[in-house]
Amino acid sequence: AQTVTQSQPEMSVQEAETVTLSCTYDTSESNYYLFWYKQPPSRQMILVIRQEAYKQQNATENRFSVNFQKAAKSFSLKISDSQLGDTAMYFCAFMIGGSQGNLIFGKGTKLSVKP
Amino acid sequence: DGGITQSPKYLFRKEGQNVTLSCEQNLNHDAMYWYRQDPGQGLRLIYYSQIVNDFQKGDIAEGYSVSREKKESFPLTVTSAQKNPTAFYLCASSWRPGLVYEQYFGPGTRLTVT
Repeated sequence: AQTVTQSQPEMSVQEAETVTLSCTYDTSESNYYLFWYKQPPSRQMILVIRQEAYKQQNATENRFSVNFQKAAKSFSLKISDSQLGDTAMYFCAFMIGGSQGNLIFGKGTKLSVKP
Repeated sequence: DGGITQSPKYLFRKEGQNVTLSCEQNLNHDAMYWYRQDPGQGLRLIYYSQIVNDFQKGDIAEGYSVSREKKESFPLTVTSAQKNPTAFYLCASSWRPGLVYEQYFGPGTRLTVT
């Protein structure tokens, strides 16, 4: 069975600083996809970034980037130039390629951005 | 605007009553999903549907039921058999199962059962 682990229940960062959220996963599959979702206080789940396991290049989306280490089964999220609006729960999620689209989520990291 | 709507935002029920949570999407997505979120937990899959009139159990389907009579709608019924129904429920949809498309989420329904 696939599992996703986020070892940091809570983190904080000063505005404009950089922060990295950790995620590790366990799978025997070779074709899979990884995602980071953001859940602000409104509780709306928002996709931040995705990474295909077959791609060596790390995904980036504006201030958000990932460090995908396939051998180590690690998928960390880096947020640069943190903004107050980045305050949220962040969930790492995993999906097997060719599956029925079921996402497996970690338990989340609560990020607080301080002014 | 295209999107996913869930209603109501807050729902209160007495123990022993069944309750139905609404989920509607106008994104023309084929697949729809129901997740449950508890404090300190990630999302857990309850049920999912790839096409109309077909659905499958997820990891925690006991005490829940669904229907998919229309492509746009995927209501979830929380039955009296669900032992701990108080939770936040999220509905999601995506283009097609079997291909990796992002799941888009609704705003959620907070269910409280006393």
